[in-house]
Amino acid sequence: EAGVVQSPRYKIIEKKQPVAFWCNPISGHNTLYWYRQNLGQGPELLIRYENEEAVDDSQLPKDRFSAERLKGVDSTLKIQPAELGDSAVYLCASSHRTVQETQYFGPGTRLLVL
Amino acid sequence: AQSVTQPDIHITVSEGASLELRCNYSYGATPYLFWYVQSPGQGLQLLLKYFSGDTLVQGIKGFEAEFKRSQSSFNLRKPSVHWSDAAEYFCAVVLSAKSSGDKLTFGTGTRLAVRP
Repeated sequence: EAGVVQSPRYKIIEKKQPVAFWCNPISGHNTLYWYRQNLGQGPELLIRYENEEAVDDSQLPKDRFSAERLKGVDSTLKIQPAELGDSAVYLCASSHRTVQETQYFGPGTRLLVL
Repeated sequence: AQSVTQPDIHITVSEGASLELRCNYSYGATPYLFWYVQSPGQGLQLLLKYFSGDTLVQGIKGFEAEFKRSQSSFNLRKPSVHWSDAAEYFCAVVLSAKSSGDKLTFGTGTRLAVRP
């Protein structure tokens, strides 16, 4: 069974540029999460989807961050415009409705904003 | 608010030695407890989890963890460390899913180095 897929794995951009990350969860997992992991820290939740509905986006900086999961499967996280402080690893995770507490993570996208 | 503390930022052990990584949580109720491992440039891999029942749980790669309610701890152990265990280890908690919506709260991690 394929795990959570994320792309790109690495991204380098200049500040004020837009950037997008893509995630495909494990097949059959209805819940999808986006996390941000700053250097030397644990991941912090940005947004959680139940199917196509964003049920927790309280930690998403909505002035520059947006996310979508239009068909309830794959998801895109966008930053526009990027700032230096956005440099981090962006992790996607998914979980199945029967064991929602257990989340499976993708390899992450490492973003560097110059 | 729930919080997770991993008091050891960095630990170095010799290959073949035993290992214990500490994790304490601050919480009114017993949360669901997890240990994840992150190798350089990789995502997080679930090692083990505790929801209820037997307080000693077995995980993958020879790891185990013990939940101690009286100490609000969930320490990770391995009897004999291998060089491939060098990685960063994260303890995480989730409130009962019904109330928190499965929000994982992570500790800051413990980086494990293994001496040959």
